[in-house]
Amino acid sequence: EPEVTQTPSHQVTQMGQEVILRCVPISNHLYFYWYRQILGQKVEFLVSFYNNEISEKSEIFDDQFSVERPDGSNFTLKIRSTKLEDSAMYFCASSAPGDGPAFFGQGTRLTVV
Amino acid sequence: SQKIEQNSEALNIQEGKTATLTCNYTNYSPAYLQWYRQDPGRGPVFLLLIRENEKEKRKERLKVTFDTTLKQSLFHITASQPADSATYLCALDNSGTYKYIFGTGTRLKVLA
Repeated sequence: EPEVTQTPSHQVTQMGQEVILRCVPISNHLYFYWYRQILGQKVEFLVSFYNNEISEKSEIFDDQFSVERPDGSNFTLKIRSTKLEDSAMYFCASSAPGDGPAFFGQGTRLTVV
Repeated sequence: SQKIEQNSEALNIQEGKTATLTCNYTNYSPAYLQWYRQDPGRGPVFLLLIRENEKEKRKERLKVTFDTTLKQSLFHITASQPADSATYLCALDNSGTYKYIFGTGTRLKVLA
């Protein structure tokens, strides 16, 4: 069964460093998403991406964040200068055209120290 | 303000019984609503999607209802099993946007 894959599964970074989280969405999907979940809290929407541009973004997704689809298979989230409060699980998801569900990867646990 | 509310307290039920989880929303106009399962440290797993013009959807032991007048969805697991123990999340879009907003989730524990 096709699945969304994310790498790495766990990343530890120093405060102020840049990190790039990587995702390979399901191959025939056209909509891509990033969500985050701080430990013990709810899953929060960050951004949706379609046709090589951002469709929607939340107030969390400020200038420190950016997304890119550098080739036909990868979708990345970059955090330019990490803060302690960026520590969370980051989930990538994708969905097919139309009103289909979003399918999630297993997440990258980001720890900022 | 916009809210999506799920039972914040854990739900404990005996094996074999039907679990019913609630999702209420305020100031959203969803075109559809989704239910997910999440295990600790894992990503949400899609279970069921129901559209605004559908009243009920079923898949094996799962049933979802959607009442746009009450602004509520109910999620039922019949003949529950200990393996059904997890956190269940509802998520909705807002007027057909590709921005799915999640509720806080309800933790279900099925006791053997």
